[in-house]
Amino acid sequence: DAGVIQSPRHEVTEMGQEVTLRCKPISGHNSLFWYRQTMMRGLELLIYFNNNVPIDDSGMPEDRFSAKMPNASFSTLKIQPSEPRDSAVYFCASTGTGEGYGYTFGSGTRLTVV
Amino acid sequence: AQRVTQPEKLLSVFKGAPVELKCNYSYSGSPELFWYVQYSRQRLQLLLRHISRESIKGFTADLNKGETSFHLKKPFAQEEDSAMYYCALSGLSGGYQKVTFGTGTKLQVIP
Repeated sequence: DAGVIQSPRHEVTEMGQEVTLRCKPISGHNSLFWYRQTMMRGLELLIYFNNNVPIDDSGMPEDRFSAKMPNASFSTLKIQPSEPRDSAVYFCASTGTGEGYGYTFGSGTRLTVV
Repeated sequence: AQRVTQPEKLLSVFKGAPVELKCNYSYSGSPELFWYVQYSRQRLQLLLRHISRESIKGFTADLNKGETSFHLKKPFAQEEDSAMYYCALSGLSGGYQKVTFGTGTKLQVIP
């Protein structure tokens, strides 16, 4: 298995533009999580899905952020419009229910909004 | 509610010195605990989990339910151990398995 795959690895965009981050979880994993990592705030859970259904989106900072999981093998995190303070590394992680093995993380997307 | 506390943001030790990264948790049920490591500009990787009672790269962690702690230890620090370390707890929340991370501790091993 190639692991959790995120794209793009790096994204530089101008303030006000729409940004879409993508994630492909490990095949067979039924839970998917989006995290944001910054120096100031550490690792923050934004939203997580179970069986493609959003379970908890209380960590999504503002309405500018939205996430979807149209099927078991794909999820997107969208920021519209983007702002400089959104600059961070965004990680996707997946796990299977009851495994007890914790998460498998993707390599992350480093977003810079200028 | 489940909570993980890592009281130290930065821990600096000399090479060869013992290391202890502290982690305390709060959870009403029976938790599953993990340590993750993140080397510079890389993804988080699972280091070890309490259920397997393993030692990885010389690190060990023992779950102490009485003290609700899961401290990470290594007897002799190496320079390559310098990284961010996150303690995490997996538990049921609203009927779903959810993992909560601590804020992380940066370990700096001084040559």
